[in-house]
Amino acid sequence: ILNVEQSPQSLHVQEGDSTNFTCSFPSSNFYALHWYRWETAKSPEALFVMTLNGDEKKKGRISATLNTKEGYSYLYIKGSQPEDSATYLCAFKGGTSYGKLTFGQGTILTVHP
Amino acid sequence: SAVISQKPSRDICQRGTSLTIQCQVDSQVTMMFWYRQQPGQSLTLIATANQGSEATYESGFVIDKFPISRPNLTFSTLTVSNMSPEDSSIYLCSVGGTSGGSTDTQYFGPGTRLTVL
Repeated sequence: ILNVEQSPQSLHVQEGDSTNFTCSFPSSNFYALHWYRWETAKSPEALFVMTLNGDEKKKGRISATLNTKEGYSYLYIKGSQPEDSATYLCAFKGGTSYGKLTFGQGTILTVHP
Repeated sequence: SAVISQKPSRDICQRGTSLTIQCQVDSQVTMMFWYRQQPGQSLTLIATANQGSEATYESGFVIDKFPISRPNLTFSTLTVSNMSPEDSSIYLCSVGGTSGGSTDTQYFGPGTRLTVL
């Protein structure tokens, strides 16, 4: 059974704060690491697909880093806004491109105005 | 990218009944996936639905409980049979992630929020 862990489970920040959360995953048989943002009643939105050790990806105020050797990825949000409030999910894909995604439980972010 | 719709968006059902969830994609796809998220749990893959063949179920999920249809390349249904309160979950369909490229993305529908009383 693959273990994909996210921390913290939930996070409350003030508008303008920068924040980050963690996804840990198996360091062996790594293929890709996906990050999603999931707002209530909407489809999970793909943020990043990361494949190479040391990868850094950025999309607006959101960025992510990847360490496949030690099995963790960080997601950073700079200058949080209320519209960033959502559940952030990471998902590990092992083996091959046809391997299934194993999700963490998510980090629930609430940004207070 | 793919645009995915699901029906119904939510439902409240009685124990012992069945509910069929529909998933429609705006483009032809080979593989569709069905996930569920129980309260406080991770998104978990139920099965992979291939057009023209039987669905492939993950450990802990069986066809009698979650029958799946895949009549064409843009549509699939998942039935939750003989429901119990433990089936209360969000059910999502998904496509993509199988193009063979290392950065291929998986796309999700908006989910069906099911409550079983």
